Amino acid sequence: KAGVTQTPRYLIKTRGQQVTLSCSPISGHRSVSWYQQTPGQGLQFLFEYFSETQRNKGNFPGRFSGRQFSNSRSEMNVSTLELGDSALYLCASSLGSYTNTEAFFGQGTRLTVV
Amino acid sequence: AQSVTQLGSHVSVSEGALVLLRCNYSSSVPPYLFWYVQYPNQGLQLLLKYTTGATLVKGINGFEAEFKKSETSFHLTKPSAHMSDAAEYFCAVSSDTGRRALTFGSGTRLQVQP
Repeated sequence: KAGVTQTPRYLIKTRGQQVTLSCSPISGHRSVSWYQQTPGQGLQFLFEYFSETQRNKGNFPGRFSGRQFSNSRSEMNVSTLELGDSALYLCASSLGSYTNTEAFFGQGTRLTVV
Repeated sequence: AQSVTQLGSHVSVSEGALVLLRCNYSSSVPPYLFWYVQYPNQGLQLLLKYTTGATLVKGINGFEAEFKKSETSFHLTKPSAHMSDAAEYFCAVSSDTGRRALTFGSGTRLQVQP
C-alpha cells in the first residue's frame, strides 16, 4: 500500500510569507503527527491530529498551526515565516492515537526561508 | 517530563564489526521506546520498538535492542555492520500522557568503514 505522502518535497519562501504543507497518511490511518527537524534543535514534536481533532501540541509559537480533514489528510501552516523556520518538516501517520502503535513517516518537506 | 540522551553523535565502525549505539531515557511513567533510522534526504523508518513484555526486542535489518529498566537504557546493537547501515539513528520515547508525541534523542550518525 502507498506510504505517507508529503507535498511539496522542497519549498523556498521569503521571510514574512506564509506556507502550507500537506500530508496524506496511509489509507486507514487516522492519526497524523508533525515534527520539525533542524540541525540545531533536532526533531521536535509540533502537533498531532486524530479524527480531525488536535490531540496534542508541542512547544511552538502560534504561528504554527494545523488541521486535519475528514479523509485524514492534514495540513500545517506557518505564518509570518522567520529564517529559523527553515527545517525539514516530517509528517507521521498511524492507526491509532497512542504511542504503542507504529508511526510511519513521510519523506518530509524541506522548507528554506530566505 | 521525558527525555532521551544518545551518547556519541558520531560512531564509526568497520564493516563486519559490532554496532553499539547508546540510548538512555528519562520518563516518569513506564516508557514506550523506539529506534528509528534516517537515510539522507529521507524520512524516518522504524527499526524496532519496546512497549511491554520481552525486554530484548528484535527489529529489521538484524538490529536488536534491550530495555534495561534499572539502567534506564535502550541500547541498539547489530552483530555485524554492513555498508548499507551507514545512516543516522534516533532513539525516541513516548509521551507521558500516552498520546502520540515522541521525544527524540539528538541522533547518532553511524559511519561504516570498508
